[in-house]
Amino acid sequence: QKEVEQNSGPLSVPEGAIASLNCTYSDRVSQSFFWYRQYSGKSPELIMSIYSNGDKEDGRFTAQLNKASQYVSLLIRDSQPSDSATYLCAVNNQGGKLIFGQGTELSVKP
Amino acid sequence: NAGVMQNPRHLVRRRGQEARLRCSPMKGHSHVYWYRQLPEEGLKFMVYLQKENIIDESGMPKERFSAEFPKEGPSILRIQQVVRGDSAAYFCASSPSGADQPQHFGDGTRLSIL
Repeated sequence: QKEVEQNSGPLSVPEGAIASLNCTYSDRVSQSFFWYRQYSGKSPELIMSIYSNGDKEDGRFTAQLNKASQYVSLLIRDSQPSDSATYLCAVNNQGGKLIFGQGTELSVKP
Repeated sequence: NAGVMQNPRHLVRRRGQEARLRCSPMKGHSHVYWYRQLPEEGLKFMVYLQKENIIDESGMPKERFSAEFPKEGPSILRIQQVVRGDSAAYFCASSPSGADQPQHFGDGTRLSIL
């Protein structure tokens, strides 16, 4: 079992729709969780961080964490073509290093 | 520029040469991390450093790879006797402290081995 798993996609949504990206992790001691966006050929860009169960909203982005289910998700409301990118889920197991999922490719169609 | 600075952006080496990648963390950040992204693969942790200390090198290949973060100057990732399989994007990230702080990434160094 991979430490951090994401659906590779591609996930295709129409412009204006809600995009839902999911991530599961295997290590129960994980304490901090991050979503990064990576455009092709570019570096990862931090979008959201979440540390406690529940929802955290920032603009059009909402991160959801459920530690009992070892599940973290990212919702993107009113998706725009500029949101088309690969979204990386990352987990920090208290040691400082981030463990990344393979990433989910999102395509927002105009 | 207050971001994480990496140089060079692109580096071409022939097999057997040495590659040196540099990273200056964001202002106020004292923790540096190196990650590697192979073509069509995910980001993989390599090493975590503070000034003059290696905190975690569990992701570093046992041979040819080394990293340092001296008291003065940037962090250096050094690859000796490069091979074709070392071709990848190498990203540096920094955080103000360790543990669960968000990490901010530089633009990366694209290493190509001829």
